Amino acid sequence: QKEVEQNSGPLSVPEGAIASLNCTYSDRGSQSFFWYRQYSGKSPELIMSIYSNGDKEDGRFTAQLNKASQYVSLLIRDSQPSDSATYLCAVVPASGGSYIPTFGRGTSLIVHP
Amino acid sequence: DTGVSQDPRHKITKRGQNVTFRCDPISEHNRLYWYRQTLGQGPEFLTYFQNEAQLEKSRLLSDRFSAERPKGSFSTLEIQRTEQGDSAMYLCATPIGDGMFFGSGTQLSVL
Repeated sequence: QKEVEQNSGPLSVPEGAIASLNCTYSDRGSQSFFWYRQYSGKSPELIMSIYSNGDKEDGRFTAQLNKASQYVSLLIRDSQPSDSATYLCAVVPASGGSYIPTFGRGTSLIVHP
Repeated sequence: DTGVSQDPRHKITKRGQNVTFRCDPISEHNRLYWYRQTLGQGPEFLTYFQNEAQLEKSRLLSDRFSAERPKGSFSTLEIQRTEQGDSAMYLCATPIGDGMFFGSGTQLSVL
């Protein structure tokens, strides 16, 4: 079982809709969770971090964390065609003592006009 | 204006050749990471440095791979006797807060 699981998609939503991206992780002791956006041919860029259970909002983005269920999600409100990209979930496992973010395979999001 | 410069951006080589990539963080960071990403997958951890010390290596990093960070600033990643399976994007990253800032990467194609 991979440490960080994401549905590869693609997830297709119309412009203006809410896009919901999900991620599950296996290390129950994980404390740090991140969402990255990656445009085709580009490197990943950090868009959100979350550490505590609940919601964290930043503009049109909301990250949600549920440690008991071991999932983290990203909501994108008022989706725009420019949001079309692959969204990567990253988790820092608690085991080992080293700070090494582990990434999921990413979910491809397509926002169509 | 990225905080991490990687060189070259693209590298095409023949199987069996050696290649070396360079990563230059613009500002000083104690930690520096190397990841590899293949099409349709997320970045996979290869190794990381705390200053000059290479603290951890993934089992993905076979003995054909070696990384250095001689003065705690720039880093190099060398692949000896390249194989077609080494074709990937090689990403260098430094911390920003608790997250990571990635360089533009080096796209390696092994023919």
